[in-house]
Amino acid sequence: DAGVIQSPRHEVTEMGQEVTLRCKPISGHDYLFWYRQTMMRGLELLIYFNNNVPIDDSGMPEDRFSAKMPNASFSTLKIQPSEPRDSAVYFCASSRQGLHGYTFGSGTRLTVV
Amino acid sequence: GENVEQHPSTLSVQEGDSAVIKCTYSDSASNYFPWYKQELGKGPQLIIDIRSNVGEKKDQRIAVTLNKTAKHFSLHITETQPEDSAVYFCAAVRKGYQKVTFGIGTKLQVIP
Repeated sequence: DAGVIQSPRHEVTEMGQEVTLRCKPISGHDYLFWYRQTMMRGLELLIYFNNNVPIDDSGMPEDRFSAKMPNASFSTLKIQPSEPRDSAVYFCASSRQGLHGYTFGSGTRLTVV
Repeated sequence: GENVEQHPSTLSVQEGDSAVIKCTYSDSASNYFPWYKQELGKGPQLIIDIRSNVGEKKDQRIAVTLNKTAKHFSLHITETQPEDSAVYFCAAVRKGYQKVTFGIGTKLQVIP
């Protein structure tokens, strides 16, 4: 298995632009998680899905953030409009019911200038 | 909700020495405690875990201990090597849930 695949690896965008981050979970995993990592706040859970349905989005910072999972093999995290304080590394992770260990992707480093 | 505190935030040890990272959790319903290692430019990777019905678990040079009464758990790395240099995260999972709550991380530096 290729693991959890995220794209792009790096994204630099101007303030106010829309940003879309993408994730392909491991086949057969029914949970998908989006995390944001910063030096100040560590790893923060933004949202997670079970069988493509959002279960907990209480970590989404504000309405500028949205996430979708149209099918079992693809998820997106969108920021519109982006702001400099959104600069961080965004990780996607997947897991399977009964298997608590997550598998993380390599992350997307987002820089908003 | 669950709160996981981790210390120290940074740790430097000489190669060959031991390293210990300590964590506490708040939710007595948590029953699974994974540890992750994050190398530069990569995502966190699960290295060892422990369940609440076990007090200690070992895997070669790595061991984890759990004190349920005190809600403490620790990671012990013996005979440290330069490739152990990374950021280590402790975490806790509440029984019946899939959501993982992470500590803030410990940056471990092993000095050759």
